[in-house]
Amino acid sequence: QVQLQESGPGLVKPSQTLSLTCTVSGGSISSGAYYWTWIRQRPGKGLEWIGYTYYNGRAYYNPSLRSRITTSVDTSKNQFSLQVNSVTAADTAVYYCARGLMYWGQGTLVTVSS
Amino acid sequence: QAVVTQEPSLTVSPGGTVTLTCASSTGAVSSGHYPHWLQQKPGQAPRTLIYDTTKKHSETPARFSGSLLGAKAALTLSGAQPEDEAEYYCLLSYSGARVFGGGTKLTVL
Repeated sequence: QVQLQESGPGLVKPSQTLSLTCTVSGGSISSGAYYWTWIRQRPGKGLEWIGYTYYNGRAYYNPSLRSRITTSVDTSKNQFSLQVNSVTAADTAVYYCARGLMYWGQGTLVTVSS
Repeated sequence: QAVVTQEPSLTVSPGGTVTLTCASSTGAVSSGHYPHWLQQKPGQAPRTLIYDTTKKHSETPARFSGSLLGAKAALTLSGAQPEDEAEYYCLLSYSGARVFGGGTKLTVL
């Protein structure tokens, strides 16, 4: 059974970079059959698609976030990562990683505050 | 960026049938939008019930089904159970990019 687990700082200061990692177990991140997704949910709000990437680096991003987002895949660690630059309070959210949209991490709350 | 619209809230009686819909600001929803339906309960991660319009995850209860209904994607729940009370999100694909609808809060009452 594929399992995913998000990790990273729970608190980030405004204007800094939010960095999250998703560790995949029970399956190889190098499989070309899947893409690796980031989604977030602001407190009390709906789901927002951030983007996804394939193991070879090909990626699609939400146009509204594209200028501030970087994703990457580390096949040696079976992990993929998300960076969001120049964060503001509006980036405070629960961040989820997923394989495609079928297998999800439990989510991690990131708060942007000084 | 496209806007995906869902009913904000719906109510269904236990054992009843309800249809949730998903519309696109760009026009009719088609199979080429690869509609997904996700369920989220309070405090939990979302889970995908339906993908590619009609396909079910292995753990999706049989009472859920997906379809295209007119110009929209639809999720039909037949024989609602109390545990089906949740938020339901539609997700559409636009040439690789994905857009979520605002969600439908389904009450089983």
